[in-house]
Amino acid sequence: DAKTTQPTSMDCAEGRAANLPCNHSTISGNEYVYWYRQIHSQGPQYIIHGLKNNETNEMASLIITEDRKSSTLILPHATLRDTAVYYCIVRVTNAGKSTFGDGTTLTVKP
Amino acid sequence: GAVVSQHPSWVICKSGTSVKIECRSLDFQATTMFWYRQFPKQSLMLMATSNEGSKATYEQGVEKDKFLINHASLTLSTLTVTSAHPEDSSFYICSANGQGGTSGVASSYNEQFFGPGTRLTVL
Repeated sequence: DAKTTQPTSMDCAEGRAANLPCNHSTISGNEYVYWYRQIHSQGPQYIIHGLKNNETNEMASLIITEDRKSSTLILPHATLRDTAVYYCIVRVTNAGKSTFGDGTTLTVKP
Repeated sequence: GAVVSQHPSWVICKSGTSVKIECRSLDFQATTMFWYRQFPKQSLMLMATSNEGSKATYEQGVEKDKFLINHASLTLSTLTVTSAHPEDSSFYICSANGQGGTSGVASSYNEQFFGPGTRLTVL
């Protein structure tokens, strides 16, 4: 699985958009970009994934660059409950094995 | 979406005893399950991959005789920490990768879903 790099921490004001970047410069053509988040003492929660097109669901949007070497997770209107560690992972969808990096600790402030 | 449960949610045991942790897929068949370990303020580390009906594949550095994994059915995998010691205290998380489901959202079930985790404390 390709390695990902993310900023260690980020702050965001409540109600504002949170933009979390991820670099995955060694991603292979058949690898998807997945985003999970982990709230303290809980299991990771799936957020969104994509291959090359931008994706949007009820939780977030995923913007993948044309060369697929980086992506950005966007939480459009961050709330205090979005405070968590966000993990960007690349993997082949059917393989299932996920290699977690250190993630980004997002703190949403009032 | 798919639900993965773990039992127990937390356990405290004495050094030298064995502890079994269960991971269940509640509404889908999990052909593959994964076990992770997470120490405080660290990321998740994959311990092993278990496929239903076959032996688990352990990651480098993980002792297979200490962390016994059994995946006897398509909905249940167990992790047994044998002769637990204080250094085994950690947050153990399972995930399941499978197909099927009842929600009608078929694409959601070809993904990996995580359990809520089990906090193990060895005294």
